[in-house]
Parts: sequence; C-alpha cells; structure tokens
Amino acid sequence: SQTIHQWPATLVQPVGSPLSLECTVEGTSNPNLYWYRQAAGRGLQLLFYSVGIGQISSEVPQNLSASRPQDRQFILSSKKLLLSDSGFYLCAWIVGSKNTEAFFGQGTRLTVV
Amino acid sequence: KQEVTQIPAALSVPEGENLVLNCSFTDSAIYNLQWFRQDPGKGLTSLLLIQSSQREQTSGRLNASLDKSSGRSTLYIAASQPGDSATYLCAVLHGSSNTGKLIFGQGTTLQVKP
Repeated sequence: SQTIHQWPATLVQPVGSPLSLECTVEGTSNPNLYWYRQAAGRGLQLLFYSVGIGQISSEVPQNLSASRPQDRQFILSSKKLLLSDSGFYLCAWIVGSKNTEAFFGQGTRLTVV
Repeated sequence: KQEVTQIPAALSVPEGENLVLNCSFTDSAIYNLQWFRQDPGKGLTSLLLIQSSQREQTSGRLNASLDKSSGRSTLYIAASQPGDSATYLCAVLHGSSNTGKLIFGQGTTLQVKP
C-alpha cells in the first residue's frame, strides 16, 4: 500500500537553531513531492515542490530550503529558525498517473520560541 | 497566477441539514480538483478527486461537482452529522500532472450541531 511518513509530529526549537523535517513515501516511485506550511487560522501555503531527485522548485523566498536526496525522500531545512517559521508543516505526494490524487502526511507542528 | 477561493469561510448548521460548500478558481487550466477534510491539528484526508474531464464524483453522503469552464466546484454534504465537523479544503492541480502545483483555497470550517 502507499503510505507517507512525516516526522517529528511536534517540535519546539529556539530562534536561531537549525531545522530538519523529513518526509518519506512508500509503495510508489517517482512521486511529485510537496512541502506546505499552514499558519494558525490560515490556508496552506506551498513552499517547495519536487518532480524528481535533486529537482527543487521554490515558491516563496524565505528562510527555508528543501532537498530530495532520494526518489522517495523529501527534506525541509533551515540553518537558523525565525519566530515567523512557526506553523504546521505538511508533506504531500502525487503520483504522476491517470489518478493524480494527492496524499498528505500527518504534519509537523513547529513552534519557534 | 492561479487563485482558489472558498465560500463561506465558516458555516454552522443543525444536524440533518443538507449543505453546499463552494470553491472557485481563476485559471481553468487545471488537471484535477480535490476536496480534503482537515480535523484540528491533523493532516489532510482526501475526500473526492475530480479529473478535469469529469463533471462530478460521489462518495457516500458527499457529492462534488466541477464546472471547469466557469472555474467552480461545489461539495454537497447530505444529511449532515456532528462527525462532519471539520475544515474542508479544495485544491486544484494547476498545469500538468508531471509538473503541476497543488493550489489550495483557505477552507470552510463546518460545525454541525447535534
């Protein structure tokens, strides 16, 4: 079966500390992968998407970066966190086929203090 | 630039009512449209996927329609239940399935009162 794993579930980090959030998918190959952020009471903002290994498209200039070292692994990083980086981060994948349904991980709640 | 809008932002109804949630998008060049449900503090659960060539999809008490030319979709929930209380999000896959972006509306927060 096709599953998506995202961790950690919650994270509290001090301002200026680094960040690494990981997302992996199972049961599929060559998925399109996405990172979203959802601020409190707001919709989902697309941060990055990737159509293949090493291919990253950035949607919003910011303090974050993304990498895709393997086909089914997508990592969101920051060298120095800001207070404004707090939010709910969601990873999603879409398999490029006839049934291009998107699936989401359970999210990471990041609080920068 | 593709923009997705959902109306209303919030909705409160008594149990048993039928209701309609609306979603509109500015660029009709979409590959598909998907409705999601989000419970507080949780990830997104896919409810219905409508391909650009389709007009509607049904799953249980849910029915979603798509009018691509007018840039509109509706999610119809029949005989609402308290367990339907959640935020409902629509998203369009803009462009192609190989390089497309999934663009979301702001969501409609639904409360169904017992």
